[in-house]
Amino acid sequence: GAVVSQHPSWVICKSGTSVKIECRSLDFQATTMFWYRQFPKQSLMLMATSNEGSKATYEQGVEKDKFLINHASLTLSTLTVTSAHPEDSSFYICSARFASSYNEQFFGPGTRLTVL
Amino acid sequence: AQKITQTQPGMFVQEKEAVTLDCTYDTSDPSYGLFWYKQPSSGEMIFLIYQGSYDQQNATEGRYSLNFQKARKSANLVISASQLGDSAMYFCAMRVTGGGNKLTFGTGTQLKVEL
Repeated sequence: GAVVSQHPSWVICKSGTSVKIECRSLDFQATTMFWYRQFPKQSLMLMATSNEGSKATYEQGVEKDKFLINHASLTLSTLTVTSAHPEDSSFYICSARFASSYNEQFFGPGTRLTVL
Repeated sequence: AQKITQTQPGMFVQEKEAVTLDCTYDTSDPSYGLFWYKQPSSGEMIFLIYQGSYDQQNATEGRYSLNFQKARKSANLVISASQLGDSAMYFCAMRVTGGGNKLTFGTGTQLKVEL
């Protein structure tokens, strides 16, 4: 149980275009979803926390107008990278938790974004 | 602010041997949780083990055990009987109770298991 999927698993886009990444909890209702970014050979950095039905809370230094997060249902959160540039190329990982999963976040498999 | 420190960027271990991956943490919150995750080259984050700050005993999960030394603020991961499939990146992470369930990750340790 507690499976999280992400789509797409990888994407290549041109500079200036927007890319949407989906994060779904397949077998549970996710009260909270988290979006992380991981540059090569670096750690995961939290970008934002998203609660269903409310606005996402962004970490310091993350541009909310550039990284649009929507958590419209208890099983789906989306991250849209707007006007992507090569420096946005990274591995984006989401995680989700449900109300009683106090100790654990369940991670998706990640999405590798390459902006040309 | 919370901080996780992993001082070993890379480690080698021979198959069937035990290995310890170091993790120290810093927080002023008395209630927190410590996690270890494994990230193979495919990228997914695999949860390994959890230790709560008030847990009296060290956590164990199969071949994984967590050497929790609260006074030293360390939470080292011990992998016993290493297998080739254990080769991966390992991250230590912390969540504080007052932190909105956010995880703070260390920089990771790349473990390579050799024959």
